[in-house]
Amino acid sequence: DAKTTQPNSMESNEEEPVHLPCNHSTISGTDYIHWYRQLPSQGPEYVIHGLTSNVNNRMASLAIAEDRKSSTLILHRATLRDAAVYYCILRGSGSGGYQKVTFGTGTKLQVIP
Amino acid sequence: SQTIHQWPATLVQPVGSPLSLECTVEGTSNPNLYWYRQAAGRGLQLLFYSVGIGQISSEVPQNLSASRPQDRQFILSSKKLLLSDSGFYLCAWSPHYNSPLHFGNGTRLTVT
Repeated sequence: DAKTTQPNSMESNEEEPVHLPCNHSTISGTDYIHWYRQLPSQGPEYVIHGLTSNVNNRMASLAIAEDRKSSTLILHRATLRDAAVYYCILRGSGSGGYQKVTFGTGTKLQVIP
Repeated sequence: SQTIHQWPATLVQPVGSPLSLECTVEGTSNPNLYWYRQAAGRGLQLLFYSVGIGQISSEVPQNLSASRPQDRQFILSSKKLLLSDSGFYLCAWSPHYNSPLHFGNGTRLTVT
């Protein structure tokens, strides 16, 4: 299965942009890149996903490298409510099948007031 | 709109007792369904997934089983709980093979 690698933790100051990196060097051409975040004692929440092109939504932006071996989740202006564990996952036939959705340990983002 | 219900929110069970956690999805049909477990301070471990009624795939050999008796109902069971079964159990669904997953609020299980 294609795997992702993320830093264990990151810090950001409130109201500053945050760039959360993810490496997925063994990604296959049919794998989508998904991002989720999890607040304490809650289930993960979908943030954004993409295949090749950069994506934007109301929560964040996803920048995908041209070779697709890495991606970056961008929070344009961090707030205290963005403090969470962020998971980057791959979903597709190259990752054990579209149904088999596996999560790593993610990046714990701390937002400093 | 679609919603996912998972209960109970917390559960304390003695070792050797049975377990049944239920998850239901409303507002959609034929969803893909998932059970995950999260140990304290750890990532999510995929336990089971289902693409249809009676179709269950198991990811990790363990003391647990899953069933899907109805289209939008997913049940996680155990005949005899172990201490190692303690954790945060999450149910999730997705409309089709590549759409985002939507998680329930989870059940925190403590086996004593």
